Amino acid sequence: EPEVTQTPSHQVTQMGQEVILRCVPISNHLYFYWYRQILGQKVEFLVSFYNNEISEKSEIFDDQFSVERPDGSNFTLKIRSTKLEDSAMYFCASSGGPIVEGPSYEQYFGPGTRLTVT
Amino acid sequence: KQEVTQIPAALSVPEGENLVLNCSFTDSAIYNLQWFRQDPGKGLTSLLLIQSSQREQTSGRLNASLDKSSGRSTLYIAASQPGDSATYLCAVSLGGATNKLIFGTGTLLAVQP
Repeated sequence: EPEVTQTPSHQVTQMGQEVILRCVPISNHLYFYWYRQILGQKVEFLVSFYNNEISEKSEIFDDQFSVERPDGSNFTLKIRSTKLEDSAMYFCASSGGPIVEGPSYEQYFGPGTRLTVT
Repeated sequence: KQEVTQIPAALSVPEGENLVLNCSFTDSAIYNLQWFRQDPGKGLTSLLLIQSSQREQTSGRLNASLDKSSGRSTLYIAASQPGDSATYLCAVSLGGATNKLIFGTGTLLAVQP
């Protein structure tokens, strides 16, 4: 069964460093998302990406964040200068869109990358 | 602003019991609602998706209902098993260009053998 994959599973970085979190969405999906979950808190939407551009971003997604789909398979989240409060689990998700059969807007999540900023 | 609430926050039941998890949302203009399962330190597994035009969806021992007008959804788990122990999250989508999900805080379920 197709699945969303994410690498690395755990990333430790020092404050101020740049990190890139990588995701491979399900191959025929059209919509891509990043969410994050701070320990003990709700899962929060960060950004959505469709047709090679950001379709919506949350207030959390400020100038230190960026997303990219560098090729036909990968979807990345870059945090330019990490802060302690960026420590969280980051989830990538994808959904099919209208041309895919079935419940096309069902979102499928990856296993997450745990980011620890020290 | 859409707010999603889940009650109870935690639930412990003996194996074999049927149980109901509740989800409520403040804005009834949703596009769909998804129920997820999250195991400790793991990702989210989609269990069921209910479109706004639907009243319920079933998958195996799981049945989810949706009452848009009252802003409520329930997840019914029949004949619970210890393997059902996890956190259950509901999330609503408002549709539009992004279909982003807004999550509740979850219900932590423990099924005792």
